[in-house]
Parts: sequence; C-alpha cells; structure tokens
Amino acid sequence: EIVLTQFPATLSLSLGERATLSCRASQSVRRQLAWYQQKPGQPPRLLIYDASNRATGIPARFSGSGSGTDFTLTISSLEPGDFGIYYCQHRDTWPPAGTFGPGTKVNIK
Amino acid sequence: QVQLVESGGGVVQPGRSLRLSCAASGFTFRNFGMHWVRQAPGKGLEWVAVISDDGSTTYFADSVEGRFTISRDNSQNTVYLQMNSLRTEDTAVYYCTKENQNHIGYYFDYWGQGNLVTVSS
Repeated sequence: EIVLTQFPATLSLSLGERATLSCRASQSVRRQLAWYQQKPGQPPRLLIYDASNRATGIPARFSGSGSGTDFTLTISSLEPGDFGIYYCQHRDTWPPAGTFGPGTKVNIK
Repeated sequence: QVQLVESGGGVVQPGRSLRLSCAASGFTFRNFGMHWVRQAPGKGLEWVAVISDDGSTTYFADSVEGRFTISRDNSQNTVYLQMNSLRTEDTAVYYCTKENQNHIGYYFDYWGQGNLVTVSS
C-alpha cells in the first residue's frame, strides 16, 4: 500500500510570495499524482493531474513537478483566494484505491 | 456542465444502515469509474470505495470493507453507497467523485458538494 506524506503541514506566507508544497510517496508512483485544493465548506477542486498538467480553468500560477516518489506543487505568487488545504493523491491501476496525503494548510499572512 | 448531487445522508444510530445516492449529469456516466471519498469533521480526505464503469469491479478501504457496498445504475446515472453496521467513526461528509483517466494515470476531476452522515446514539 502506497503512503503519501506531505510537508510542511502548515505554510504561512504573504500575498505575492511563492509557495512550495511537497508530497512524497512511499514507493514510485511514476507520474500518477494529482493535487487538489480545498477551502472550508467546499469539496476539493482538482488543480494538477499527471504530476504536472493543470486542470481546466486553473491559473498558470499553479504548477506541478516531479516523478517517482517526490513531487512539488508551486504557487508562484500567492493571491487571497489561494488559502486552503492542499492534498496530493494517487490512484494506481491495481488496487484501484485512491490514496490521499494528509494535506498542507496554506495560510495567508 | 458536469454535476454530481449526493443525497441520503443524515443522523443514524450506531449499528444501523444508511444508503447514499449520487446522481450524475453532464457526462456519459457509463464510461467512467466513480468513487466515494469521506472527510471526518476537521480531518483530511479519506478514500472509501470505487466502482468501475460497468459495475463489475469494486474495491474498498480497509476501514469499511465488509460493511459498505458500492453499486451503480447506469440507466439512472446514479451511484450508491450502502453503509451497514455504522460506527461513530463513520461520521463524515461523504463526497462522490468522478474518475478520469488517460495513458498516464487516474484522477478525480469532478466532485459533489458532499453529504453529511452523523452516527450517534
């Protein structure tokens, strides 16, 4: 069973700063990694799939990178709407379980 | 546009059963796998169950294996989560989510708004 670890647990940054969020898999997941943003009271929203592809409607300030076991979500310049919790996620061919990381909470100073 | 609308949540006593429904629209439902993901109050996301596009394959998290079943009706564009022998630790918002896949992998591209299930005596 693949386990995803995210760090840091919390990130407090000012508007306009760059945010770097990390996700590490317990074994290689190739490029099968997605990132989601969740705001309070809302469902998660897909940001990045296949490690580096932005989902439809996601601004270019969000970018993903990595492969194998180490992945990064970068927000190039934080905007007020970027607060929330960010989760990484992997779903393999078999077993078809969808594993989530514990999340990184982004606070805007 | 894609919509996923969950229903069936509420308050239930430990040991009882509840069935969640998720009505889908805006895409060809029979072509996609569907998942249920839950979130306990103040906690992170926990994957619960998956059903393949044709309903022939299902898989569950260890925490619900043997108690929950997932099914779908492709004629009604609906996926279900039957929850039996409910425990207090099953209290959560339950989301249904649509799976998408390509040559690289799988991801959840659309989510319902969520449905709260509270297990309490």
